[in-house]
Amino acid sequence: GEDVEQSLFLSVREGDSSVINCTYTDSSSTYLYWYKQEPGAGLQLLTYIFSNMDMKQDQRLTVLLNKKDKHLSLRIADTQTGDSAIYFCAELSSNTGKLIFGQGTTLQVKP
Amino acid sequence: EPEVTQTPSHQVTQMGQEVILRCVPISNHLYFYWYRQILGQKVEFLVSFYNNEISEKSEIFDDQFSVERPDGSNFTLKIRSTKLEDSAMYFCASSYSTGNNQPQHFGDGTRLSIL
Repeated sequence: GEDVEQSLFLSVREGDSSVINCTYTDSSSTYLYWYKQEPGAGLQLLTYIFSNMDMKQDQRLTVLLNKKDKHLSLRIADTQTGDSAIYFCAELSSNTGKLIFGQGTTLQVKP
Repeated sequence: EPEVTQTPSHQVTQMGQEVILRCVPISNHLYFYWYRQILGQKVEFLVSFYNNEISEKSEIFDDQFSVERPDGSNFTLKIRSTKLEDSAMYFCASSYSTGNNQPQHFGDGTRLSIL
């Protein structure tokens, strides 16, 4: 079935780059998303990539997609303490239009 | 920027009671969704709604659950007889279309606690 997996925790120092990885199973997914959840808040859409793209850059965020390996990554350049949050990878189910989420990666940014 | 709003932010209810969670989607959006996140688990899809009817639902969305768009702005999730395992964060989302460069936008969620 459809499944999305992420590592649970990442710790980086302020100013370093963060790379959050995700794998998915539905090879027919058309869109893949990254959402950010700060404590007590909802899911904020960060960025997304269409499946016919390999890379998308949006200011400090770079999304890389390897369709062959069904691997998605989110790179945050110059990570700041304000980037500390849980980051969710999600794929759009091609059949149903629902989002299938990973378990979320907690990013801890140390000053 | 327009946003999805959910009320209340926290709802505490006795087991067996009915609860209604409310959402106001983004005004020009046509597709509406409910998801839930049990503490420590993944965000799970519950139901999608389009053109005044359910378009897709998960196996979680059994007869105890219902959704409604009672007017032009609200979208509600009703749980008829709540169980302890219904305790979770419930997220509403909306989108203009499915895929096609129109992502789902989420509200801040309602934390439902069943006692």
